[in-house]
Amino acid sequence: DSGVTQTPKHLITATGQRVTLRCSPRSGDLSVYWYQQSLDQGLQFLIQYYNGEERAKGNILERFSAQQFPDLHSELNLSSLELGDSALYFCASSRTGLNEQFFGPGTRLTVL
Amino acid sequence: AQSVAQPEDQVKVAEGNPLTVKCTYSVSGNPYLFWYVQYPNRGLQFLLKYITGDNLVKGSYGFEAEFNKSQTSFHLKKPSALVSDSALYFCAVRDMRQAAGNKLTFGGGTRVLVKP
Repeated sequence: DSGVTQTPKHLITATGQRVTLRCSPRSGDLSVYWYQQSLDQGLQFLIQYYNGEERAKGNILERFSAQQFPDLHSELNLSSLELGDSALYFCASSRTGLNEQFFGPGTRLTVL
Repeated sequence: AQSVAQPEDQVKVAEGNPLTVKCTYSVSGNPYLFWYVQYPNRGLQFLLKYITGDNLVKGSYGFEAEFNKSQTSFHLKKPSALVSDSALYFCAVRDMRQAAGNKLTFGGGTRVLVKP
């Protein structure tokens, strides 16, 4: 158990809908990262927050947004969902940017 | 831009034999290098990392990796594989330069199958 929690484990929704994925980092970790894992794209970095502020952005679509709250948990919001958004979404956390990242169990999103 | 290549989609070895999973990387600055393992329906588990210092890095579960700057490689090794090592292995790189941010760039993954 990495200490990173993600909810929900599974999410099934329809095209056009909006969903929110939640992540709680390990105790004491200030950085939160979001990744998307799909069969065709592999594991792709989406976005990083550090202590509430956006720190780095990767291949994140404009339909997606994230935030990190004062208690350091983070949410990833996915809107106007398309079939191609079906994937595993991982959250990871680290103490600082220099440390290894610890991954949560992921949220499997299925868009029908 | 940073990138990672794992040239083998799959590696098959017999239990008790040595296991090697290959990784090459490309970054503009000095690299931070990581290996992660993913078991079915689980998140990624950290195995080991190279930041600086000794080129041979020891990690969890008997794994080690060798950093080779001239060949820009960071191959994962285990002297004697176990059936329970069967999983998906990912190599990742982070550029040390501050401007590059903290993102990890992952390779495509290598599926390891250890046969009894």
